[in-house]
Amino acid sequence: GAVVSQHPSRVICKSGTSVKIECRSLDFQATTMFWYRQFPKQSLMLMATSNEGSKATYEQGVEKDKFLINHASLTLSTLTVTSAHPEDSSFYICSAKGTSGGDPLRNEQFFGPGTRLTVL
Amino acid sequence: ILNVEQSPQSLHVQEGDSTNFTCSFPSSNFYALHWYRWETAKSPEALFVMTLNGDEKKKGRISATLNTKEGYSYLYIKGSQPEDSATYLCAFGSGYALNFGKGTSLLVTP
Repeated sequence: GAVVSQHPSRVICKSGTSVKIECRSLDFQATTMFWYRQFPKQSLMLMATSNEGSKATYEQGVEKDKFLINHASLTLSTLTVTSAHPEDSSFYICSAKGTSGGDPLRNEQFFGPGTRLTVL
Repeated sequence: ILNVEQSPQSLHVQEGDSTNFTCSFPSSNFYALHWYRWETAKSPEALFVMTLNGDEKKKGRISATLNTKEGYSYLYIKGSQPEDSATYLCAFGSGYALNFGKGTSLLVTP
């Protein structure tokens, strides 16, 4: 159980275009989804948190108009990188928390396999 | 951003060796410490979530300990196997977000 898929796994795009990344919880309902970014040799850094049906909360330094997050259902969240530039090239990974209970303080999250974005 | 440090950055051991990694984290506002195993091209897999000082968890040949007062956790692998090769991430939970270390990359060769 607790499987999260992410699509695409790899994308190459031209500078100035927009790219959409999908994150799906396959066997549970995800009330909260998280988007992380990882640059080479760095740690996973939280970009934003999205709760189903409400606006995402962005971390400091993350442009909400550039990284559009939609969490329209309990199984799907999307991250759209708008007007992508080479400096947006990174590894983007999502995670999800379910509605199955458990200790919220443990903040257990289930991760997708990630998306490698390369902007030319 | 909370500082989570992992060491060593990478490790290369022979099959059958036992090994351990360290994760250090802020000792204040502690909620939980998470360990993940991350194989290339796969999703990070949760190994342990620990919440209490002195906690010890075990899963097969892998075990972990937690010291919240001094802010560190150890992950041990007994009798390493090639399939243990992966990056091991720890993450400090402060009640809201997970703050990750950079990971320890383990390579186990036959």
